[in-house]
Amino acid sequence: GENVEQHPSTLSVQEGDSAVIKCTYSDSASNYFPWYKQELGKRPQLIIDIRSNVGEKKDQRIAVTLNKTAKHFSLHITETQPEDSAVYFCAATTPNHRAGTALIFGKGTTLSVSS
Amino acid sequence: DVKVTQSSRYLVKRTGEKVFLECVQDMDHENMFWYRQDPGLGLRLIYFSYDVKMKEKGDIPEGYSVSREKKERFSLILESASTNQTSMYLCASRTGLAGMYEQYFGPGTRLTVT
Repeated sequence: GENVEQHPSTLSVQEGDSAVIKCTYSDSASNYFPWYKQELGKRPQLIIDIRSNVGEKKDQRIAVTLNKTAKHFSLHITETQPEDSAVYFCAATTPNHRAGTALIFGKGTTLSVSS
Repeated sequence: DVKVTQSSRYLVKRTGEKVFLECVQDMDHENMFWYRQDPGLGLRLIYFSYDVKMKEKGDIPEGYSVSREKKERFSLILESASTNQTSMYLCASRTGLAGMYEQYFGPGTRLTVT
């Protein structure tokens, strides 16, 4: 089945710096790659996603890139702010997963932005 | 807005008890999921349901069962709770429309088994 690896597990940056989180996946049939943000004590919420027919997607200060050949995708946050501090999860889904199209998550990255 | 609710935010149970965690969604979603979240291990899929009375095992189904008698409700059952099942449990739901993969999460239930 699908396996998603996420790095780094923790990331500390200064306010205004950029942050990059990387994920790799194992199933070449995967076709959807979301990123979820989970603030302390809250539920995970989708912040951006990308499909396998697209190489890059941007939404204001966040962007996601996908390299299908290498089977990896990355989250880029520019001009980080203290409110970006949270746990970020990448995920992948494949129609052929034995559980249907459930999302398989990475282990998460704790991002800390200090002012 | 999609609303996914879970019956309890915090739950304390004793070893050996039968535990029911309930999840309800109000968006007529076909798909519902149960994950457990542990520090350093991320979100791990326990069970999944794509229709009423239908279920699929996820990556860590051992020690758990599920029930989906109505479309809006998906229950996670711990037949005999053990201390290693102390965790945060997150429910999620998603439409069954082709190509629509976004999952919406509930607030979570923090279960402590003593």
